[in-house]
Amino acid sequence: KQEVTQIPAALSVPEGENLVLNCSFTDSAIYNLQWFRQDPGKGLTSLLLIQSSQREQTSGRLNASLDKSSGRSTLYIAASQPGDSATYLCPSEEGNNRLAFGKGNQVVVIP
Amino acid sequence: NAGVTQTPKFQVLKTGQSMTLQCAQDMNHNSMYWYRQDPGMGLRLIYYSASEGTTDKGEVPNGYNVSRLNKREFSLRLESAAPSQTSVYFCASNTHTEAFFGQGTRLTVV
Repeated sequence: KQEVTQIPAALSVPEGENLVLNCSFTDSAIYNLQWFRQDPGKGLTSLLLIQSSQREQTSGRLNASLDKSSGRSTLYIAASQPGDSATYLCPSEEGNNRLAFGKGNQVVVIP
Repeated sequence: NAGVTQTPKFQVLKTGQSMTLQCAQDMNHNSMYWYRQDPGMGLRLIYYSASEGTTDKGEVPNGYNVSRLNKREFSLRLESAAPSQTSVYFCASNTHTEAFFGQGTRLTVV
């Protein structure tokens, strides 16, 4: 059974600092990886998708990388803003297209 | 293109009542899923459907039933609601590459 660990579980940073969020998987046989954000009381919004042939993906201030050999992914958010405050999720596949979720990285960016 | 649509958005039930949560996707995806999210825990899979006409249990299926009515729709039924089923429920669909989620149903059982 795939297990996902996200570190740190929670962090607060002043506006402008860079954020580094980490995700690790017990089963490193990962084909694709999506990072999501979830605002309080809301659904999941897809941020970045790293497809099977890729090692990283970038969108604006966000960069996600995937190291399949070690079963780890990192989401990097440059120059954080208060609007980046959310919980970030990096579910992993565990067969039959099912996703296994960790508890998330809860981020607060202080103005 | 609406993506994944869930109804209702909010619901309060009394213990023992039944209800069905509806989910529909317009992306022609084969696979659909129901998850629940509880405070301090990650999303947990209740049931999934790999294709029209098939359903399988996930991690926490007890107390729930599902129906894959057609390729678009996947419903979740609570036959006799219990306070332990108070949660936020998310429906999802995916290709082999990418997942899409609905906005959630916040269910309270009193």
